[in-house]
Amino acid sequence: DQQVKQNSPSLSVQEGRISILNCDYTNSMFDYFLWYKKYPAEGPTFLISISSIKDKNEDGRFTVFLNKSAKHLSLHIVPSQPGDSAVYFCAATYSGGYQKVTFGIGTKLQVIP
Amino acid sequence: GAVVSQHPSRVICKSGTSVKIECRSLDFQATTMFWYRQFPKKSLMLMATSNEGSKATYEQGVEKDKFLINHASLTLSTLTVTSAHPEDSSFYICSASPIAGGSYEQYFGPGTRLTVT
Repeated sequence: DQQVKQNSPSLSVQEGRISILNCDYTNSMFDYFLWYKKYPAEGPTFLISISSIKDKNEDGRFTVFLNKSAKHLSLHIVPSQPGDSAVYFCAATYSGGYQKVTFGIGTKLQVIP
Repeated sequence: GAVVSQHPSRVICKSGTSVKIECRSLDFQATTMFWYRQFPKKSLMLMATSNEGSKATYEQGVEKDKFLINHASLTLSTLTVTSAHPEDSSFYICSASPIAGGSYEQYFGPGTRLTVT
């Protein structure tokens, strides 16, 4: 049973436009969410996170939105750059979860110059 | 930023032999390190949680006698794949969580590609 779902395996966006990556979760206990970026043959790199007490967190070109009632979060990248091309993993954890993080399957983003 | 290293980055071994993978946090201390395995076109699968000075906690379905984990210090955890078989071929990634701040962020190593022939 996949508790963190990324239903779009891939996404192509023109350089300069907005990239929107979506993520849904099923476990109501999750209260902290993270996005990681991963290049081939490398480990994931932490990108941005959001606590369930917020509905938005912004860091430069990256913004994460959380809709708790819908159990949905999204990562917005604007403007998209070719260097953003990578696999993006949505992840979730919860207080008392001993820092165990559950990952989605990832969405491969391609930013076309 | 926090840096985690893994060694080796790639290893090829013969079936039946054992392979040790090291995970080090270079500029911070980590009481907890995690070991993941990534199958092709799949998500990261948590194998075990490694706690400094105590036994590792394995996820369901992960053989603790096959995947030996040792967390010798606050900056080093090792994963030993014992009696490796071709089905153990995979990309193994470790991560570490800093002690301070109660942070949920995990910092990942670059991964180790294991090929068992």
